[in-house]
Amino acid sequence: DSGVTQTPKHLITATGQRVTLRCSPRSGDLSVYWYQQSLDQGLQFLIQYYNGEERAKGNILERFSAQQFPDLHSELNLSSLELGDSALYFCASSGLDWGEAFFGQGTRLTVV
Amino acid sequence: DAKTTQPPSMDCAEGRAANLPCNHSTISGNEYVYWYRQIHSQGPQYIIHGLKNNETNEMASLIITEDRKSSTLILPHATLRDTAVYYCIVRPSNNAGNMLTFGGGTRLMVKP
Repeated sequence: DSGVTQTPKHLITATGQRVTLRCSPRSGDLSVYWYQQSLDQGLQFLIQYYNGEERAKGNILERFSAQQFPDLHSELNLSSLELGDSALYFCASSGLDWGEAFFGQGTRLTVV
Repeated sequence: DAKTTQPPSMDCAEGRAANLPCNHSTISGNEYVYWYRQIHSQGPQYIIHGLKNNETNEMASLIITEDRKSSTLILPHATLRDTAVYYCIVRPSNNAGNMLTFGGGTRLMVKP
């Protein structure tokens, strides 16, 4: 158990819809990261938040957004969903060493 | 981040040592070598990291060459549960710098 909790574990939704994925980081970790893993691609970094502020952006689509709340949990919002957005979405958190990240078990999103 | 090169796949017999190589010939002086693994569809798991000295923990040993251009992750007694994709990543060890960038990794198959 990494200490990072992601909900829901599975999500099935239709094209055009909007969903919210939730992440609770390890206790005390200020950094939260979101990654996407599609079947035909590796782990793609989407975005990082540090203590409530956006810190770094990766290959995140404009239809996607995220935020980190004062209690440090984070949400990833995916809108106008397309079939190609079907993937595993991982959240990770880290303390002082951003290289030592702890990943949740992921949310498997299926867009039909 | 410095680019890393890993073999796409390796096999190992159960109970034997698994030696996973990684080349990082352009590594900078302030960059550490991190290893993660991902067991099928689970969240990536941090294994170990090091700068220039060899490191050992309960999971594995990390051997870094003197010129730091390559490293080897050693699982001393591989079990079937060690079957996973292993990622070698280089980055600074602090709360700055680039995010963890996962390449293709090495798919390790531990066989009975």
